[in-house]
Amino acid sequence: AQKITQTQPGMFVQEKEAVTLDCTYDTSDPSYGLFWYKQPSSGEMIFLIYQGSYDQQNATEGRYSLNFQKARKSANLVISASQLGDSAMYFCAMREAREGGKLIFGQGTELSVKP
Amino acid sequence: DVKVTQSSRYLVKRTGEKVFLECVQDMDHENMFWYRQDPGLGLRLIYFSYDVKMKEKGDIPEGYSVSREKKERFSLILESASTNQTSMYLCASSQGTALNTEAFFGQGTRLTVV
Repeated sequence: AQKITQTQPGMFVQEKEAVTLDCTYDTSDPSYGLFWYKQPSSGEMIFLIYQGSYDQQNATEGRYSLNFQKARKSANLVISASQLGDSAMYFCAMREAREGGKLIFGQGTELSVKP
Repeated sequence: DVKVTQSSRYLVKRTGEKVFLECVQDMDHENMFWYRQDPGLGLRLIYFSYDVKMKEKGDIPEGYSVSREKKERFSLILESASTNQTSMYLCASSQGTALNTEAFFGQGTRLTVV
């Protein structure tokens, strides 16, 4: 069964607008961490933001925030004030405590920012 | 800065060849990973190693093996390459088992099997 699901293969957003990229996950482990990575066309993987399962507040890093809804098992990435340089693939990932350091990724969402 | 280096950026091999993809990290990380990336499928974990000589199968280990004889080096081996193994291969490393540990990635190897 897919542990991380990203249902939006591609998204478009107008420059300067906000966009939400969806991520749902499946785990029975009460202790887990969720990550978002960005992969520009150059291919490098860039860590954006982290949310722990016990964190009381939603994580934020600059223009990135994570809308964490634990009961719904969703961890959506919100990018505010989109920029042309935000055009990239975005991946959601999860680490479960019982799996040690193992890191599992979703299918990815390709974001295109229009000028 | 953490550096994860993959030995080749592009590789073309023939069907049936034995292929070695090498990955080296310079930050003394315990964990190392091999993923393959395909459009629409995201990153799928092939193998994971949490210590020297230790390995765990990921979601798609069939047709692959790995070797970790030294902490800094993690090799992916295609015993007999097939065309369906044409893909982008990404190596990553991370420290320990803390949940918030970031993984660092290599630049990727685009393998074409003809």
